[in-house]
Amino acid sequence: DARVTQTPRHKVTEMGQEVTMRCQPILGHNTVFWYRQTMMQGLELLAYFRNRAPLDDSGMPKDRFSAEMPDATLATLKIQPSEPRDSAVYFCASGWGTESYEQYFGPGTRLTVT
Amino acid sequence: GNSVTQMEGPVTLSEEAFLTINCTYTATGYPSLFWYVQYPGEGLQLLLKATKADDKGSNKGFEATYRKETTSFHLEKGSVQVSDSAVYFCALTSNSGNTPLVFGKGTRLSVIA
Repeated sequence: DARVTQTPRHKVTEMGQEVTMRCQPILGHNTVFWYRQTMMQGLELLAYFRNRAPLDDSGMPKDRFSAEMPDATLATLKIQPSEPRDSAVYFCASGWGTESYEQYFGPGTRLTVT
Repeated sequence: GNSVTQMEGPVTLSEEAFLTINCTYTATGYPSLFWYVQYPGEGLQLLLKATKADDKGSNKGFEATYRKETTSFHLEKGSVQVSDSAVYFCALTSNSGNTPLVFGKGTRLSVIA
């Protein structure tokens, strides 16, 4: 049963620290999305990639967030420096091609910045 | 810009009750519409979809019809079960497949025995 995996599942850190979240998309999927879920804003797109190339990262605060795909099996989302307002659940999702509509979500990383 | 509005929750129903969760959207062009479900501690799962007007998406007893004239995609189920307790998200994408989703705020459903 193919799944999107995310690590860590939970992260508590202090303000100012660097946070790295990792995502392993389903093997063969060529599109990867990062979404953030908060109580106030709901689910928002941060960035997405197709064939490892970034297509849209307009949802990310550029001064502190960065997203990369070092290879087809790994996507990373980094926050440096972290702030309390970054506390949220971060979801990675993957999908295939441009004809399929289904996005497969990982279990999320719950980030708490104190 | 594109947006999705869905009814506020929480919604509490008794087992075997009829469920409706309202969803309306604003979008340019001809969006594709989705319902996703999130169980506690898990990521979102696609429940059903409709990619053009008058299409009906269905899965696990849930149904939703793409109504372009009313810009709506209401979720319905005739008889809910305790296992349907979850958060339900209405979403759209304005382009072809595998482009970013725009989500509603979510509606929490609790079904009691």
